[in-house]
Amino acid sequence: GAVVSQHPSWVICKSGTSVKIECRSLDFQATTMFWYRQFPKQSLMLMATSNEGSKATYEQGVEKDKFLINHASLTLSTLTVTSAHPEDSSFYICSAEPSGSSYEQYFGPGTRLTVT
Amino acid sequence: TQLLEQSPQFLSIQEGENLTVYCNSSSVFSSLQWYRQEPGEGPVLLVTVVTGGEVKKLKRLTFQFGDARKDSSLHITAAQPGDTGLYLCAGVNSGYSTLTFGKGTMLLVSP
Repeated sequence: GAVVSQHPSWVICKSGTSVKIECRSLDFQATTMFWYRQFPKQSLMLMATSNEGSKATYEQGVEKDKFLINHASLTLSTLTVTSAHPEDSSFYICSAEPSGSSYEQYFGPGTRLTVT
Repeated sequence: TQLLEQSPQFLSIQEGENLTVYCNSSSVFSSLQWYRQEPGEGPVLLVTVVTGGEVKKLKRLTFQFGDARKDSSLHITAAQPGDTGLYLCAGVNSGYSTLTFGKGTMLLVSP
């Protein structure tokens, strides 16, 4: 149980285009999902907290207009990287917190984004 | 800002050796978690320690939470190549659901 999927697993896009990444909790409902970014050989940096039915909370330094987050259902959150640039190339990982639980997150397998 | 320092950053050992990874902070966390991450995959939770002084064992892995709940250690006995990966500690921020990750320790176990 407690499986989180991400789609796509990897994507290559051209500079200036937008890319949408999906995060799904497959066998549980998640009121809260989290989006992280990880550069090579570095740790995970929290980008934003996504709450179902409300606006996401972004961490300091993360542009909310560039990284659009939508959490329209209890099993799906999406991250859209708008007008992507090469510096946005990274490994994006989501996690989901089962509804009713605290401090328990299950991570997705990540999405490798390469912007050319 | 709560920070978690992990040491060492990189560790390369031979199969059968023992090792300890440390996770230290100046802040108190309500609990602390350890994850293992393989290249191209998301982190997988190994353990959560909650009580100061708590010790948890998971086969050859022993996790300890400091008495003051500011630091933790992970000890691996008789390491195996399958233990290779990035080990991350993460502090659970009291009152929130967010995690603060350390920078990680990359472990390479050679046969």
